[in-house]
Amino acid sequence: DTAVSQTPKYLVTQMGNDKSIKCEQNLGHDTMYWYKQDSKKFLKIMFSYNNKELIINETVPNRFSPKSPDKAHLNLHINSLELGDSAVYFCASSQNRNRQPQHFGDGTRLSIL
Amino acid sequence: GQQLNQSPQSMFIQEGEDVSMNCTSSSIFNTWLWYKQDPGEGPVLLIALYKAGELTSNGRLTAQFGITRKDSFLNISASIPSDVGIYFCARGETSGSRLTFGEGTQLTVNP
Repeated sequence: DTAVSQTPKYLVTQMGNDKSIKCEQNLGHDTMYWYKQDSKKFLKIMFSYNNKELIINETVPNRFSPKSPDKAHLNLHINSLELGDSAVYFCASSQNRNRQPQHFGDGTRLSIL
Repeated sequence: GQQLNQSPQSMFIQEGEDVSMNCTSSSIFNTWLWYKQDPGEGPVLLIALYKAGELTSNGRLTAQFGITRKDSFLNISASIPSDVGIYFCARGETSGSRLTFGEGTQLTVNP
């Protein structure tokens, strides 16, 4: 009964390729997020969507493009992958009301060769 | 950006010992959250705090929202091997808004 599910769990690819990561939540939440966790385990928000509308866009290269086809899905497409993109990417979701915490997926481990 | 300092960075303790970790912020926020991350998994919420001075327990875990609204601590009592993992504090205007995470405390429990 996975609440926030990401695919794939592992992604190994060559520099310069384009790849996508998918995220789906079955919690009925209206807000979804993408976070990046680097090799030092530091978690930093990248994007947030509320009801398919982009509400947070941190300083992220424009090679990263999130897409939310509906409020249960938030995908992340990355163009022209670079070595520095190697990290674990976490999707999260929450209900946009106070006292409603964010729930995280298990992450996608992206390795750039 | 606004700083969020979490300490200690790592702890090595014996099973049965109590543990304390804390976070301090340079600014005031309305929400403090504590998450735990096991290897290969995403962060899981342990405790959420919404009011200055609030003290909340979840089993052997206790966390408090500092009265200055700039800090929070997490205590784990009588640690067990499954407490091993990375503990993150996070703060935000609301728990559903932009969260800023601390750098994490890596906890190792020796049986």
